[in-house]
Amino acid sequence: QVTLKESGPTLVKPTQTLTLTCTFSGFSLTTSGVGVGWIRQPPGKALEWLALIYWDDDIRYSPSLKSRLTITKDTSKNQVVLTMTNMDPVDTATYYCAHKYSSYFGSWGQGTLVTVSS
Amino acid sequence: QSALTQPRSVSGSPGQSVTISCSGTSSDVGGYNFVSWYQHHPGKAPKFMIYDVNKRPSGVPDRFSGSKSGNTASLTISGLQAEDDADYYCCSYAGTYNNYVFGTGTKVTVL
Repeated sequence: QVTLKESGPTLVKPTQTLTLTCTFSGFSLTTSGVGVGWIRQPPGKALEWLALIYWDDDIRYSPSLKSRLTITKDTSKNQVVLTMTNMDPVDTATYYCAHKYSSYFGSWGQGTLVTVSS
Repeated sequence: QSALTQPRSVSGSPGQSVTISCSGTSSDVGGYNFVSWYQHHPGKAPKFMIYDVNKRPSGVPDRFSGSKSGNTASLTISGLQAEDDADYYCCSYAGTYNNYVFGTGTKVTVL
């Protein structure tokens, strides 16, 4: 059974850097074709894809946020970490990590709400 | 990359069918057969319902079906049930630069 869980701060100040960790089980990020992605949803708004990291260290970022994002993996810990710099109130959202296989996000975490406020 | 366009809301009575459209461009929906659909009950983890336009993963009822014509994909829910009351999002691969784009989301209300 695939499970994912996001963790990190619930409140960050404007201009700070956000670091979120996705801890997963039920699959390995060393398996061919497997990836882990981050997706966010501002309150009352749509889902937005942010970043992906694959089993072979291939990394993809949303073009609009590329300059602010870094995604890394630690296969020994079954974790993926997303950092987002220069946080702004518009970045207030629920952040999800998801298991990606083939062309879809097959399993998602419950999400973690991050509020950006001074 | 702009979000794919979905109707804000659709509704139907139990047993009826509803169809949700997902309009994109030739750079995303129209260019690839990699459209997926997700059901989201607020406060819960999204659940994927359809992948590769019209494939249904195991465990998803056959009441859910997907299709695509040109730059528009669709999700049809036949025989609406109370538990189908949720938000639905489409997602499409959009090439090696934009990668993935989600739809604006549709609220399905079972009357």
